[in-house]
Amino acid sequence: DAGITQSPRHKVTETGTPVTLRCHQTENHRYMYWYRQDPGHGLRLIHYSYGVKDTDKGEVSDGYSVSRSKTEDFLLTLESATSSQTSVYFCAISAGPQGYGYGYTFGSGTRLTVV
Amino acid sequence: AQKVTQAQTEISVVEKEDVTLDCVYETRDTTYYLFWYKQPPSGELVFLIRRNSFDEQNEISGRYSWNFQKSTSSFNFTITASQVVDSAVYFCALHKSSGDKLTFGTGTRLAVRP
Repeated sequence: DAGITQSPRHKVTETGTPVTLRCHQTENHRYMYWYRQDPGHGLRLIHYSYGVKDTDKGEVSDGYSVSRSKTEDFLLTLESATSSQTSVYFCAISAGPQGYGYGYTFGSGTRLTVV
Repeated sequence: AQKVTQAQTEISVVEKEDVTLDCVYETRDTTYYLFWYKQPPSGELVFLIRRNSFDEQNEISGRYSWNFQKSTSSFNFTITASQVVDSAVYFCALHKSSGDKLTFGTGTRLAVRP
């Protein structure tokens, strides 16, 4: 019972093409997050959402957009993929009703390669 | 701004050795939470522990223990009698009360050799 699933798990795409990653949760949590993981940088926040249609930028948001039209789905879009966006992307949901202090539950990650 | 520093990039130990992973954090908030996550070779992120800023009591869970010291802004993680299955990347993270986001350190890769 993952409670949170990411799709696709792996993707190879060409430079300049748009790419959308999907995060789906069954926990009805209010907060959802997108992180990217790169060697030497740990996990860095791209965007997050604190409710339907409520989103905000993280520390590395350039080149990315997000949408949340339903509580359960949080989409991350690379409008025009670049090689610097090759990374592992993790979605997370907050484990508590207020999104603070309860830690996150992470999806299994999406490995994206831009060639 | 808040920051989490894990100065040890990689650690290699022989099985059954004890090992301590260091975590130093910076925040101006008085209320915050600290976390440790484990990322095994399979890639998923596994929650290990949460500690709030008002609870400095050390915690032990089996072979794992955590030492939280506000005076030095540190939240160190010790594995006693390490095992090969402990090989993973370990992340320390900080969640402050006035924000919604978890800030991660860069991680420490632990290799336990048989």
